[in-house]
Amino acid sequence: GQNIDQPTEMTATEGAIVQINCTYQTSGFNGLFWYQQHAGEAPTFLSYNVLDGLEEKGRFSSFLSRSKGYSYLLLKELQMKDSASYLCAVRAVSVGSSNTGKLIFGQGTTLQVKP
Amino acid sequence: DGGITQSPKYLFRKEGQNVTLSCEQNLNHDAMYWYRQDPGQGLRLIYYSQIVNDFQKGDIAEGYSVSREKKESFPLTVTSAQKNPTAFYLCASNYAARGDEKLFFGSGTQLSVL
Repeated sequence: GQNIDQPTEMTATEGAIVQINCTYQTSGFNGLFWYQQHAGEAPTFLSYNVLDGLEEKGRFSSFLSRSKGYSYLLLKELQMKDSASYLCAVRAVSVGSSNTGKLIFGQGTTLQVKP
Repeated sequence: DGGITQSPKYLFRKEGQNVTLSCEQNLNHDAMYWYRQDPGQGLRLIYYSQIVNDFQKGDIAEGYSVSREKKESFPLTVTSAQKNPTAFYLCASNYAARGDEKLFFGSGTQLSVL
């Protein structure tokens, strides 16, 4: 089956660094996405990894290890506005399917940033 | 400005009633998707469409129906057969042919049962 695991909740302090982990088991793999979602709003794209390694984009970085089925999102210099849910999503390729790769989402990690 | 628009923001359904959620995009995207989000759960795919006049069932299609008569529009009908419709519904779109293409999401519709 398809399974993506993330911690349900995390708490961190303003100005600190936090790492949100994501592990996945899927029938295929064609990329991993991280999205940020504030309550009652649309998810917004943060990062995309398809090859192993670290992708850095400002205060946010994302890492992927395909052999381990593992990714993390690293948030530096935390700000209060970073309080949100962070969604890990895998593009899984279905063999023999006409589907070009829909996303499978984890349950999301709710991050609370405290002063 | 290009984007994806969902309406209404809030919707209430009575027992035995069908309701339709609107989703329109002007991004010229080929593919459109409907996801359902429940508290403490990830987004679950209801239906998706990669081309006009064609759509596929997702993981939780029972009790829902869709149409894709125009490239820009992908309405979702929540039928009376859906016994637990209360959820936050998100529409999304992208260029399906590109492997790295991220999803663009609408702002969502919160559906509640009266």
